[in-house]
Amino acid sequence: NAGVTQTPKFRVLKTGQSMTLLCAQDMNHEYMYWYRQDPGMGLRLIHYSVGEGTTAKGEVPDGYNVSRLKKQNFLLGLESAAPSQTSVYFCASSYGSTGELFFGEGSRLTVL
Amino acid sequence: AQTVTQSQPEMSVQEAETVTLSCTYDTSESDYYLFWYKQPPSRQMILVIRQEAYKQQNATENRFSVNFQKAAKSFSLKISDSQLGDAAMYFCAYRTWGSARQLTFGSGTQLTVLP
Repeated sequence: NAGVTQTPKFRVLKTGQSMTLLCAQDMNHEYMYWYRQDPGMGLRLIHYSVGEGTTAKGEVPDGYNVSRLKKQNFLLGLESAAPSQTSVYFCASSYGSTGELFFGEGSRLTVL
Repeated sequence: AQTVTQSQPEMSVQEAETVTLSCTYDTSESDYYLFWYKQPPSRQMILVIRQEAYKQQNATENRFSVNFQKAAKSFSLKISDSQLGDAAMYFCAYRTWGSARQLTFGSGTQLTVLP
């Protein structure tokens, strides 16, 4: 009964390094999302996908790339990390017409 | 674009009392969903309650209920008989009736429950 799983949970990077966050869902959901959460700003949408092989930009896409090669996985990449990307990242997925998003536990990323 | 506003960054309530968290939103659409999510210190986002805009009846889930005023674009959350476990950050969210179905979140209200 895993739901949405994010790896890693914590990561510290140096400016300029690259990394990938992996999101996996076992609910056969079509839609998947990456959000970032910063103090006082709620959750902001980075990128999303409406199905395997598709991706689209959200509210704050700059500095990030994504891929959805398999329906169950949604990867978020940082090619050259910057201190402004220090944040908590949430993956989520959804299905059908209810609109409810199911969230992972979050990944805390610190860029020094 | 839709916006969601939570004007109360922090609220507190005495255990067993009732508290209401405010949320307003801006949209030109007539069909949409509204949500309240709870985020305890564990960081997990937990759905508290959901309201469909086409339904006039306010949603309720045990001790949680909403006051949905469509014309005023207001969606407040009432927590009755507050418990220590209710202490968390609460986010109001709007979902557009569209193909992508992403949520737009407010900035959150930090709720403290006093023993």
